[in-house]
Amino acid sequence: GESVGLHLPTLSVQEGDNSIINCAYSNSASDYFIWYKQESGKGPQFIIDIRSNMDKRQGQRVTVLLNKTVKHLSLQIAATQPGDSAVYFCAENWSGGSNYKLTFGKGTLLTVNP
Amino acid sequence: DVKVTQSSRYLVKRTGEKVFLECVQDMDHENMFWYRQDPGLGLRLIYFSYDVKMKEKGDIPEGYSVSREKKERFSLILESASTNQTSMYLCASSSSTDTQYFGPGTRLTVL
Repeated sequence: GESVGLHLPTLSVQEGDNSIINCAYSNSASDYFIWYKQESGKGPQFIIDIRSNMDKRQGQRVTVLLNKTVKHLSLQIAATQPGDSAVYFCAENWSGGSNYKLTFGKGTLLTVNP
Repeated sequence: DVKVTQSSRYLVKRTGEKVFLECVQDMDHENMFWYRQDPGLGLRLIYFSYDVKMKEKGDIPEGYSVSREKKERFSLILESASTNQTSMYLCASSSSTDTQYFGPGTRLTVL
């Protein structure tokens, strides 16, 4: 079946470094991708999204890269801060499917060391 | 800002009780979703609704039902709670062309 996964379950970085979190997807028809951040005990928070007609999108300190050739998505966080410590997970959607249901990855735990 | 609220942050119930979890969104979104989140299993879709009084089963609907009488409100019902329904429950909403926005979650413990 189709799935969304992550290469690394945990990532530990030093404060101020850049972080890169990766995600592989298997449905080549997926055309919309989202990154969420989930802090302990809270609901997932939308960070950034990208549609398949783009290969890069930038937000505030975050950049999402989409490589459709190898079905790979990444989230780059610049100048990582302690407040960035959380679980990050990607989600994918195929707009030809049912009512914008999302398929979620399991998540990567990012730990920022001061 | 999109706001999705859930009726309780923490809830403790006993086996066999009927449990209601309520979710309200203030963005006039057509779609609303209920997930449960368990360690190692990620987010799993229980039910979703794309319009008032409309619902569709997700991946794990067994033991749950839902109600959407008003556009802004989506309720999840556990008819007879069991210990394996102890979990974090997350509600989300979206428009037809947008991402899903989540509520803060309800941590349900069934004793």
